[in-house]
Amino acid sequence: GNSVTQMEGPVTLSEEAFLTINCTYTATGYPSLFWYVQYPGEGLQLLLKATKADDKGSNKGFEATYRKETTSFHLEKGSVQVSDSAVYFCALKTDRGSTLGRLYFGRGTQLTVWP
Amino acid sequence: ETGVTQSPTHLIKTRGQQVTLRCSSQSGHNTVSWYQQALGQGPQFIFQYYREEENGRGNFPPRFSGLQFPNYSSELNVNALELDDSALYLCASSGGGAETQYFGPGTRLLVL
Repeated sequence: GNSVTQMEGPVTLSEEAFLTINCTYTATGYPSLFWYVQYPGEGLQLLLKATKADDKGSNKGFEATYRKETTSFHLEKGSVQVSDSAVYFCALKTDRGSTLGRLYFGRGTQLTVWP
Repeated sequence: ETGVTQSPTHLIKTRGQQVTLRCSSQSGHNTVSWYQQALGQGPQFIFQYYREEENGRGNFPPRFSGLQFPNYSSELNVNALELDDSALYLCASSGGGAETQYFGPGTRLLVL
């Protein structure tokens, strides 16, 4: 089946610390991979995506590389800010390239950044 | 360009009642997906609509039903509400040849 496993939270960091949130997946076929972010009381915002092996998605200082050999898509940021405090969701979509098809989400990782 | 909008933002119902949630897709998007997000969990897929037809359904009972209209807006209907239906309901739209799903702000439903 299709599933996403994220590292357990919460993650608490000081401002300017390095962030890694681990994400591994199981998929039938060749999925597209996504990171979404959810700020308190809001819906999900797309943070970045990658659609094929070795692609690197990046946005707002966040990066993640699609690793097919390890079925992983770990999220990293070199220097976090207080404004990065949110819940981060890793997701996959098996209907790669199509507007159709569902997303499979991990459970989410809560990140809190202290000044 | 208008993003995905949902209404209402919050709703309180009692067990056994029925509820209708609404979603307007982003301009140019013809596909709408609905997800349920329980507290502290990741979103779970309910169903997807493409050109007014259901295109895939998750593990939800038939009392969860939906519609898509010619303008691609959509409704989610839940009958015979249960306490466990309390959650954030998210709508996402996609289209224009791209696979990325863009989410609305959600409707928070509380069932008492």
